[in-house]
Amino acid sequence: AQTVTQSQPEMSVQEAETVTLSCTYDTSENNYYLFWYKQPPSRQMILVIRQEAYKQQNATENRFSVNFQKAAKSFSLKISDSQLGDTAMYFCAFMKRVDDKIIFGKGTRLHILP
Amino acid sequence: NAGVTQTPKFQVLKTGQSMTLQCAQDMNHEYMSWYRQDPGMGLRLIHYSVGAGITDQGEVPNGYNVSRSTTEDFPLRLLSAAPSQTSVYFCASSGDSPYEQYFGPGTRLTVT
Repeated sequence: AQTVTQSQPEMSVQEAETVTLSCTYDTSENNYYLFWYKQPPSRQMILVIRQEAYKQQNATENRFSVNFQKAAKSFSLKISDSQLGDTAMYFCAFMKRVDDKIIFGKGTRLHILP
Repeated sequence: NAGVTQTPKFQVLKTGQSMTLQCAQDMNHEYMSWYRQDPGMGLRLIHYSVGAGITDQGEVPNGYNVSRSTTEDFPLRLLSAAPSQTSVYFCASSGDSPYEQYFGPGTRLTVT
């Protein structure tokens, strides 16, 4: 069975700093997707970024980028120039390409300090 | 577009009571799913549907029933609520796979 591990339950950084959230996963599949979701205090789940395993290039979305290391089964999220609005829970998630089920990690609570 | 809507936002049930959590989407999405979120556990998939008339079990299906009679609606039924079902429930939808899911605002359910 696939598992997703987020080893940092909670983190705090100063506004404008760069922060990296860790995620590792375990799978025997070769084709899959990886996601980072953000859940602010409003509770709304928001897709931040996704990566297709067959693509070697790391995905980027504005200030958000990932470091995808397929051999190491690692998928970290880097937030550059962090803003107060980035304060949220962040969930890493995995989905097999032939499946319709997403497996979520337990989340990292990120605090951006003024 | 309203996106994904869920009702109610909050609900308190007594053990043994039944209820239905409603979920609707107006984006003509084929894929819909239900998750529960518990403290320290992330989101766990309860049931999902890849189209009208088709449903399947997720990671934690026990105690929950679903049906999908229309593309728009995907209700989640609790037949006999238990305190272990106290949680926040999220409904989500996407085009034809969970590749880009849109989540509803959630329902906070407390079972006493």
